[in-house]
Amino acid sequence: EAQVTQNPRYLITVTGKKLTVTCSQNMNHEYMSWYRQDPGLGLRQIYYSMNVEVTDKGDVPEGYKVSRKEKRNFPLILESPSPNQTSLYFCASSLDGGGAGTDTQYFGPGTRLTVL
Amino acid sequence: AQSVTQLDSQVPVFEEAPVELRCNYSSSVSVYLFWYVQYPNQGLQLLLKYLSGSTLVKGINGFEAEFNKSQTSFHLRKPSVHISDTAEYFCAVTGRALSGGYQKVTFGTGTKLQVIP
Repeated sequence: EAQVTQNPRYLITVTGKKLTVTCSQNMNHEYMSWYRQDPGLGLRQIYYSMNVEVTDKGDVPEGYKVSRKEKRNFPLILESPSPNQTSLYFCASSLDGGGAGTDTQYFGPGTRLTVL
Repeated sequence: AQSVTQLDSQVPVFEEAPVELRCNYSSSVSVYLFWYVQYPNQGLQLLLKYLSGSTLVKGINGFEAEFNKSQTSFHLRKPSVHISDTAEYFCAVTGRALSGGYQKVTFGTGTKLQVIP
């Protein structure tokens, strides 16, 4: 089944404790992206990757890191999480490496992160 | 720069009634427009998209949207809603500059559709 998977689905952590949220897609998509969803703010893009070893900042990159060492995986790293990073996070992928211009994005199920 | 405005944060509607969810955008380039739906505790999935051609776009689950360039709108409609349509709906825009490069996708803040039995 074609899908985007994220792990973990739920995570409660404390301020400053490094964490990684994994994202994997099995559709051979070039483009992958991370979003955070907050009430009243919709989805805001954190980072995106147009293909392997190419990543770029989205609208809200502060406090996050990413890497794209292989096509299928795009982990999101919080080196020192803070309470304002408490949010619902989505990973997405699309076929086109041209910046998701016309292609449908396929979303993972989300990771709900709470930072105490 | 581009932006998307969904003025209605919540829309209650009775079952079997028609519904329109509004989306307005601004962009300085040729636009591509999307509607995504998020069911409770799930990720987003595509309802429909406008890339070019006919301004009336039909999507899944009986939804359709009309691209209106002069009004910079892309409103989503359904003639008769069902309980299962209760979800949050997001409008999104991206575009292509004259130079050929794509702009990143920008999402609206979402509209929660609540279908009342």
